Amino acid sequence: SAVISQKPSRDICQRGTSLTIQCQVDSQVTMMFWYRQQPGQSLTLIATANQGSEATYESGFVIDKFPISRPNLTFSTLTVSNMSPEDSSIYLCSVGQGSQPQHFGDGTRLSIL
Amino acid sequence: QKEVEQNSGPLSVPEGAIASLNCTYSDRVSQSFFWYRQYSGKSPELIMSIYSNGDKEDGRFTAQLNKASQYVSLLIRDSQPSDSATYLCAVNGDGQAGTALIFGKGTTLSVSS
Repeated sequence: SAVISQKPSRDICQRGTSLTIQCQVDSQVTMMFWYRQQPGQSLTLIATANQGSEATYESGFVIDKFPISRPNLTFSTLTVSNMSPEDSSIYLCSVGQGSQPQHFGDGTRLSIL
Repeated sequence: QKEVEQNSGPLSVPEGAIASLNCTYSDRVSQSFFWYRQYSGKSPELIMSIYSNGDKEDGRFTAQLNKASQYVSLLIRDSQPSDSATYLCAVNGDGQAGTALIFGKGTTLSVSS
């Protein structure tokens, strides 16, 4: 399975600021996914990122708040913009390749003060 | 609204017992089904995938799928304290391979020694 590296692993940010999370995969993959896991909750899909096209956002998530880049087949970034305490979550990157199961990076634990 | 339902638990079993975790899903076109284990503070780890009706065994874990009933289960035999974690059931969202997953809220398992 692909090895997925996320940076940063955790951060504490001030409200109103933005943070960019990086996801690097050790092999080329077609689809990358960004999920959010709020405290005590399950995973919710934010968006699907395909190389060479705009990310597809799920209901409740908008590009202005969570801009995503996918410059190549091994890398993606998620930016959390204009952060508020409600954005305190774990943000997870995963990859999908055909029928193979998805695996997750270690996640980014974000706290907003 | 596509949904995946799980009992949140906690499910408590003694060491050596069989733990049974259940999951139902709403979308009949779903083709891929997964069980992830998540320890506190960690990212989800894939433990089982199942794609066709019936049972699939891997070590102490058995996944069971019944598409007609839209039901997936995970059995853990000879439960160990190290199995104490939250177990997430996930279903691929639109029946296509490599697409995003829909997660249940997870069942917390506690194995007492």
